[in-house]
Amino acid sequence: EAQVTQNPRYLITVTGKKLTVTCSQNMNHEYMSWYRQDPGLGLRQIYYSMNVEVTDKGDVPEGYKVSRKEKRNFPLILESPSPNQTSLYFCASRELQGGREKLFFGSGTQLSVL
Amino acid sequence: DQQVKQNSPSLSVQEGRISILNCDYTNSMFDYFLWYKKYPAEGPTFLISISSIKDKNEDGRFTVFLNKSAKHLSLHIVPSQPGDSAVYFCAATSNAGGTSYGKLTFGQGTILTVHP
Repeated sequence: EAQVTQNPRYLITVTGKKLTVTCSQNMNHEYMSWYRQDPGLGLRQIYYSMNVEVTDKGDVPEGYKVSRKEKRNFPLILESPSPNQTSLYFCASRELQGGREKLFFGSGTQLSVL
Repeated sequence: DQQVKQNSPSLSVQEGRISILNCDYTNSMFDYFLWYKKYPAEGPTFLISISSIKDKNEDGRFTVFLNKSAKHLSLHIVPSQPGDSAVYFCAATSNAGGTSYGKLTFGQGTILTVHP
């Protein structure tokens, strides 16, 4: 089954404790991206990757890192989490077919930073 | 600076009627627009898109209209069904009319409730 898998689904941590949210897709998509969803602000793009070893900042990259060492994985790293990073995070990969695009999203990771 | 705005946080519609969700943007460089639907506890799913070279795109019960001069787009759902109840996000990007974009900017979302 074609899917984007994020882990963990829920995470509670404390300020300053490094964490990684994993994201994996099995569709051989070149493009992957991370978003956070906050009330009243919608979805905001954190980082995206057009292909392996190619990453770029979205609208809200501060406090986050990403890496794209292989096509299927795109982990999101918070080196020193802070309470304002408490949010719902989504990873996505993109299919391009016949000039049309389609983003496939994971089920989300609810992060709470205390 | 919110470049894509959905000014209606919620919309309530009777089953069978038309739902119209609106979206405004400020960046004149945006040339490709998308709508996504999101159910609780799930990731968003793609609904429909439109390029700036068009002013209308249809897919079944869903139609997206683009008014470039007003920097406004709308999603029409006809007829509305209870299963359409979800959060709807519009999104925009700039890639000279292509689909191989990098950055994608979303609006705040509109909660649609369709009553039986």
